[in-house]
Amino acid sequence: DIQMTQSPSSVSASVGDRVTITCRASQDVNNWLAWYQQKPGKAPKLLIYAASSLQSGVPSRFSGSGSGTDFTLTISSLQPEDFATYYCQQANSFPPTFGGGTKVEIK
Amino acid sequence: EGQLVESGGGLVKPGGSLRLSCRASGFTFSNAWMSWVRQAPGKGLEWVGRIKSKTDGGTTDYVAPVKGRFTISRHDSKNTLYMQMNSLKTEDTAVYYCTTGVHVWGQGTTVTVSS
Repeated sequence: DIQMTQSPSSVSASVGDRVTITCRASQDVNNWLAWYQQKPGKAPKLLIYAASSLQSGVPSRFSGSGSGTDFTLTISSLQPEDFATYYCQQANSFPPTFGGGTKVEIK
Repeated sequence: EGQLVESGGGLVKPGGSLRLSCRASGFTFSNAWMSWVRQAPGKGLEWVGRIKSKTDGGTTDYVAPVKGRFTISRHDSKNTLYMQMNSLKTEDTAVYYCTTGVHVWGQGTTVTVSS
């Protein structure tokens, strides 16, 4: 199975801050990389697919970049509704695997 | 874009069985590869298994911890996905989500395995 390593596991930030989360795959995932946001008690919500494509309806402050094995999710200006846990996921090979998650907390 | 609604979760004793259902709407279910993902309390997301569309063979794949115990099936005329879970263990306790794979997720149904 492809291992997905996310960092940091948690980050404390203030409204308006720029936040960057990284995700590293144990092997090339051919840009089949998605990012999700999850709030307590809710299902994951797709933010980014194919490494850098913004899902319809997701604010443009979210962006994804990277290729091969190294990927980044950036929130350009953190908003109150962005405090949540974020997961990366590779969909290149079965089983699809997730990173361990990054909790974005209020500073 | 589509909607998925799971049902069938509940409390079951170790060794017991449960069948989850997932009703789809808003997209062509018969063409979709469908999956189940679970999340244990306070933990991350884990892929459980998937079923391909009948056009693509209708075959299933599972992760090792559930292989031989869980069975995914689909009823395309009812737009419904199923997962039969047998020989349940305490470590199967989780919220179970059905998903098209990336874009569409259900709200989840909770399975608790406890004596």
